[in-house]
Amino acid sequence: EPEVTQTPSHQVTQMGQEVILRCVPISNHLYFYWYRQILGQKVEFLVSFYNNEISEKSEIFDDQFSVERPDGSNFTLKIRSTKLEDSAMYFCASSSGRGSYNEQFFGPGTRLTVL
Amino acid sequence: RKEVEQDPGPFNVPEGATVAFNCTYSNSASQSFFWYRQDCRKEPKLLMSVYSSGNEDGRFTAQLNRASQYISLLIRDSKLSDSATYLCVVNEGGFKTIFGAGTRLFVKA
Repeated sequence: EPEVTQTPSHQVTQMGQEVILRCVPISNHLYFYWYRQILGQKVEFLVSFYNNEISEKSEIFDDQFSVERPDGSNFTLKIRSTKLEDSAMYFCASSSGRGSYNEQFFGPGTRLTVL
Repeated sequence: RKEVEQDPGPFNVPEGATVAFNCTYSNSASQSFFWYRQDCRKEPKLLMSVYSSGNEDGRFTAQLNRASQYISLLIRDSKLSDSATYLCVVNEGGFKTIFGAGTRLFVKA
């Protein structure tokens, strides 16, 4: 069964450093997403990406964040200068459609720890 | 008012019990509705989509009441393996998907 994969599974970084989280969505999917989940809190939408551009982003997704699809398979989230409050689980997801067909498949997540 | 609101629980039920979860959403223009399941420290996984006519998948039944902006999930004959957090998820028509905080379920032997 096709699945979304994410690397690394755990990333530890120092405050102020840049991190890149990587995702490989399901191959025939067209819509890609990043979410975060701070420990003990709800899953929060960060950004969606379609047709090689950001289609929607939340208030959380400020200038410190960027996304890229550098090739036909990878989808990355970059945090330019990490803060302590960026510590969270980051989930990538992909879907073949949107709206009522928006069944999103999630990757296993990257746990980001900012020290 | 929270965009998607759920009873946080936890619900502690014996095996074989029937349990119901409720969810309300604030945006009347919301278009798509889902229940996801999340195990501890794992990714959310789709349990079922929710349609206006209601839908059933084995022991699970989901209902949507657009007039009341209310979604429900019923689990019959609970199994130990049903222990998880159940997430109510709403799409407002764009790309943004809004998750509720989840309801924790513990099924005891």
